[in-house]
Amino acid sequence: GNSVTQMEGPVTLSEEAFLTINCTYTATGYPSLFWYVQYPGEGLQLLLKATKADDKGSNKGFEATYRKETTSFHLEKGSVQVSDSAVYFCALSNDYKLSFGAGTTVTVRA
Amino acid sequence: EAGVAQSPRYKIIEKRQSVAFWCNPISGHATLYWYQQILGQGPKLLIQFQNNGVVDDSQLPKDRFSAERLKGVDSTLKIQPAKLEDSAVYLCASSLDLLGQYFGPGTRLTVT
Repeated sequence: GNSVTQMEGPVTLSEEAFLTINCTYTATGYPSLFWYVQYPGEGLQLLLKATKADDKGSNKGFEATYRKETTSFHLEKGSVQVSDSAVYFCALSNDYKLSFGAGTTVTVRA
Repeated sequence: EAGVAQSPRYKIIEKRQSVAFWCNPISGHATLYWYQQILGQGPKLLIQFQNNGVVDDSQLPKDRFSAERLKGVDSTLKIQPAKLEDSAVYLCASSLDLLGQYFGPGTRLTVT
């Protein structure tokens, strides 16, 4: 079956620090991979996606590369801001079905 | 483009009562999903519709949960009777293709 494992939180960083959230997956076939973000009090928002091996998704300064050989899709941002404080979910999709990781809470301090 | 709409945003009920949630997906999105997100966990799929047909309801507790999508647009999710462990955020999402689902703001349910 499909499953997603992501780095446990919470993660606390200072502004302008480098952020990495690890995500690995198990899936049949060739899934699409996603990062969703949930800001406090809001619903899930699609942050970025990648649909095939070696694709790089990027948005709002965040990047993640689809690595088939290591079954990973790690999220990175070079310089975080206080406004990046949120819960980040890694997810994969096969046949229109999304499987989510447990989420990583990130807090950025000024 | 309008996003996925859900109502109500918050609901508090006592156990054994019933509750219903409503979702209006993004226009043109044939696939609609209901998820349950318990605090501290990722969303768990309850049911998936393709137009007005059910594609997957394998994780829906059918003894108490029901969902319908009449006319292939709006959808309602009902819980009857509610249990304490049903306290969660219920998320509706819709999609056009495999390139991502778009989520509504969710309904936070508290069962006391």
